[in-house]
Amino acid sequence: GESVGLHLPTLSVQEGDNSIINCAYSNSASDYFIWYKQESGKGPQFIIDIRSNMDKRQGQRVTVLLNKTVKHLSLQIAATQPGDSAVYFCAEQRAGSYQLTFGKGTKLSVIP
Amino acid sequence: EPEVTQTPSHQVTQMGQEVILRCVPISNHLYFYWYRQILGQKVEFLVSFYNNEISEKSEIFDDQFSVERPDGSNFTLKIRSTKLEDSAMYFCASTRGSGNTDTQYFGPGTRLTVL
Repeated sequence: GESVGLHLPTLSVQEGDNSIINCAYSNSASDYFIWYKQESGKGPQFIIDIRSNMDKRQGQRVTVLLNKTVKHLSLQIAATQPGDSAVYFCAEQRAGSYQLTFGKGTKLSVIP
Repeated sequence: EPEVTQTPSHQVTQMGQEVILRCVPISNHLYFYWYRQILGQKVEFLVSFYNNEISEKSEIFDDQFSVERPDGSNFTLKIRSTKLEDSAMYFCASTRGSGNTDTQYFGPGTRLTVL
C-alpha cells in the first residue's frame, strides 16, 4: 500500500533553463496520458496530453515524450519561468475506462 | 474561458454529519467526475457520472457516498456520515465527451475538514 504523507520528488531549476519531469506509468493497457500542473491550494490544471499512437507531442514551451516500451512519460518545459513552480502530475487512462490514475507528482521549484 | 466551479471552498464538519459538495461543470460538458486528494498524497478517482447514472466508481466510493445532478447545471457529492479519514480536497471534473476521448478539466476543489 501507499505510505501516508508521500514525499514528493523535487526538481530545482534556474529560471531560463529547461526542465524535464519524468513519470513511470504502471498499466500497459493505458492509451491516453496527460500532464497536469497543480499550484498550492488549486485544482489540477491541464498542460498537455498524448495518445499511445504517438511518441512525442509539442505545445507552447512544453513537450511530452512517451516511451511505451519502458512505460515512461516525460514532460519537458523550455525556458522555465517562476510561474512554472508547482507540482506536476502525470495521469494515465486506459481505453474504455473513465478514470484517471494519477502518479505521485514532482515538485518543480524555479530559482529566479 | 469556461471553468468548472465548486462550492464551498472550505467545509468544516463534525464526524458523523452529512455534507454535500457542489460543482458546476463546464456548460456543454456531459461527463462528470469526482476525485479526492488527501493532504500530501495522490489525486484519487472516486466516481464518474453520465446521463444521470454512475458509469464507473472506485473502491473508495462506498455506500456512504452518492452523487446527483439535481438540475441542469449542478453536480453534487454527498457523504452521508463523515469520518475523520474523509478529510481531503475534493475535486470535480468534467469532459465534453466520453472516456479517453476528451480531457478532464478540474475545478478548484473543496477542502473538507472532518473534526
